[in-house]
Amino acid sequence: SQQGEEDPQALSIQEGENATMNCSYKTSINNLQWYRQNSGRGLVHLILIRSNEREKHSGRLRVTLDTSKKSSSLLITASRAADTASYFCATDKVRGSTLGRLYFGRGTQLTVWP
Amino acid sequence: DGGITQSPKYLFRKEGQNVTLSCEQNLNHDAMYWYRQDPGQGLRLIYYSQIVNDFQKGDIAEGYSVSREKKESFPLTVTSAQKNPTAFYLCASRIMGGEGSYEQYFGPGTRLTVT
Repeated sequence: SQQGEEDPQALSIQEGENATMNCSYKTSINNLQWYRQNSGRGLVHLILIRSNEREKHSGRLRVTLDTSKKSSSLLITASRAADTASYFCATDKVRGSTLGRLYFGRGTQLTVWP
Repeated sequence: DGGITQSPKYLFRKEGQNVTLSCEQNLNHDAMYWYRQDPGQGLRLIYYSQIVNDFQKGDIAEGYSVSREKKESFPLTVTSAQKNPTAFYLCASRIMGGEGSYEQYFGPGTRLTVT
């Protein structure tokens, strides 16, 4: 079962532009994470935001969380061709989740053109 | 050099054969996970384990089996009962408990093709 859903499914931009991806989820969470996956590779953790946080920054990444709307956004500023990848949000669940399992969305495929 | 290794990177099998995918980690992580990834479907959890000799079914466990005899190793067997085994398989691990323990670390994946 998938808890998170990313939007849009695909995003195509020019280098230097900002990229915004959104994630919606269904149940109450402790934290939400964003991961990146280059084609044919494993996922790499980017950033985690806790349920009591509203915004978090890491380099060119900015993540927001709105628990009242059950949604999060990932902003990549000044994008580069090397940012081309799939981006996934992942959530835990406050109730009914054991052993630290995460629930992943289907991902947003970001393409950054030089 | 710490991390998670999966082998092989590409695996080809004939229909009806069982196949075992390897996952090893030297991060001293407690929990390990197996995911399946199909195009447009994201990651789906197959099995997961928190401690040695214990594991739980995920959302799509039918046709798969696992073992956790050592903390470092969590092999996945794709049996002939799995109807559509061709997919990209990802193994992950994480620490349980303590600050910074929520992140999962992923291996490079194994692409299985069954014909």
